[in-house]
Amino acid sequence: GENVEQHPSTLSVQEGDSAVIKCTYSDSASNYFPWYKQELGKRPQLIIDIRSNVGEKKDQRIAVTLNKTAKHFSLHITETQPEDSAVYFCAASAGGTSYGKLTFGQGTILTVHP
Amino acid sequence: GAVVSQHPSRVICKSGTSVKIECRSLDFQATTMFWYRQFPKQSLMLMATSNEGSKATYEQGVEKDKFLINHASLTLSTLTVTSAHPEDSSFYICSARRGQGAMAPGNTIYFGEGSWLTVV
Repeated sequence: GENVEQHPSTLSVQEGDSAVIKCTYSDSASNYFPWYKQELGKRPQLIIDIRSNVGEKKDQRIAVTLNKTAKHFSLHITETQPEDSAVYFCAASAGGTSYGKLTFGQGTILTVHP
Repeated sequence: GAVVSQHPSRVICKSGTSVKIECRSLDFQATTMFWYRQFPKQSLMLMATSNEGSKATYEQGVEKDKFLINHASLTLSTLTVTSAHPEDSSFYICSARRGQGAMAPGNTIYFGEGSWLTVV
């Protein structure tokens, strides 16, 4: 089955700096890669996703890049703000009948210091 | 937008009893739903795939006789934790997919609010 590795487990940055979180996956059948932000006791909130037919996607301060050959994808947050502090999870899913069956990375605790 | 609702949000039960958690898709039909478990400070782990009208598919290591899943309609899946023990205390969360296939931009995965289970 799919295995997703996420690094780093914790990340501390100063407000205004950039933050980068990296994930690798093992199953070449995976073609959907969402990133979630989760606050304690709440449901994961989708912040950006990328499908395997593109290599990069950007939404304001957030961007995701995908390298299918190397089987890794990364989350980039620019101009970080204290409210970006949370736990971030990457995930991977195959398509077809397996779409939605998510394998999550271990999570990254991001702390943005004012 | 589409919403997935999960109830109860919190439940405390005594050891040895059973607890049912409901997951509903409110404005779309979900032939497939997914159940995850998340222990404190850990990631979400898929427990099972719930298929409307057929048996659920359980991930390796998940006891199907302990975690009963029923998906009797296109909008409702239930997870019943039977003979609960303190080690079953966790955050249980469901998700539902709209559409089949990852490449169509309109196809989306929606999560329920989650259910905190505490077994005492």
